[in-house]
Amino acid sequence: QKEVEQNSGPLSVPEGAIASLNCTYSDRGSQSFFWYRQYSGKSPELIMSIYSNGDKEDGRFTAQLNKASQYVSLLIRDSQPSDSATYLCAVNEGDSNYQLIWGAGTKLIIKP
Amino acid sequence: EAQVTQNPRYLITVTGKKLTVTCSQNMNHEYMSWYRQDPGLGLRQIYYSMNVEVTDKGDVPEGYKVSRKEKRNFPLILESPSPNQTSLYFCASSLAGRSEKLFFGSGTQLSVL
Repeated sequence: QKEVEQNSGPLSVPEGAIASLNCTYSDRGSQSFFWYRQYSGKSPELIMSIYSNGDKEDGRFTAQLNKASQYVSLLIRDSQPSDSATYLCAVNEGDSNYQLIWGAGTKLIIKP
Repeated sequence: EAQVTQNPRYLITVTGKKLTVTCSQNMNHEYMSWYRQDPGLGLRQIYYSMNVEVTDKGDVPEGYKVSRKEKRNFPLILESPSPNQTSLYFCASSLAGRSEKLFFGSGTQLSVL
């Protein structure tokens, strides 16, 4: 059974601090990794994608990938109350370009 | 505006009464998919379609039907809903069959009594 695991949280972070969200996956053939943000009662929206080992930065967001450890993380710098949401990690199935395996999400709370 | 339109937003029904949730995208996407989201379980795929007349089962297809007669539409049909199908449902689409960036509809909160 291919799985993506995330700590459900809630993860509470003070405003202005760095929020660190983690995700592990079981499918060694996975090549594409995604972070979606979902506000309460809303649909998920893509915020970061990463395909190769290392870091990828986009504004206040940095995605980190370590395929050897089967680990992907999302860092949010200078956290804002508007970052409070559930963050979903998604990983493509190794033998498919179409199918994603989803984590259950980590609820992040940014405290003013 | 590029979007995935899903209706209805909320639906309360009774056991056994057939229902359809509609999904339409205006981005000429080939790939479309249905998910259900339950607390603590994340998104689980019900069915997906890679093109017109091509559909396949996801992880939790039991009790659901889909059809893809036109590229833009991908309705979800519950022939005989049961209480365990009470959930939040999302339709999503993406370009050229790649799951890279999924565009989601606004969701349908379904309650089966």
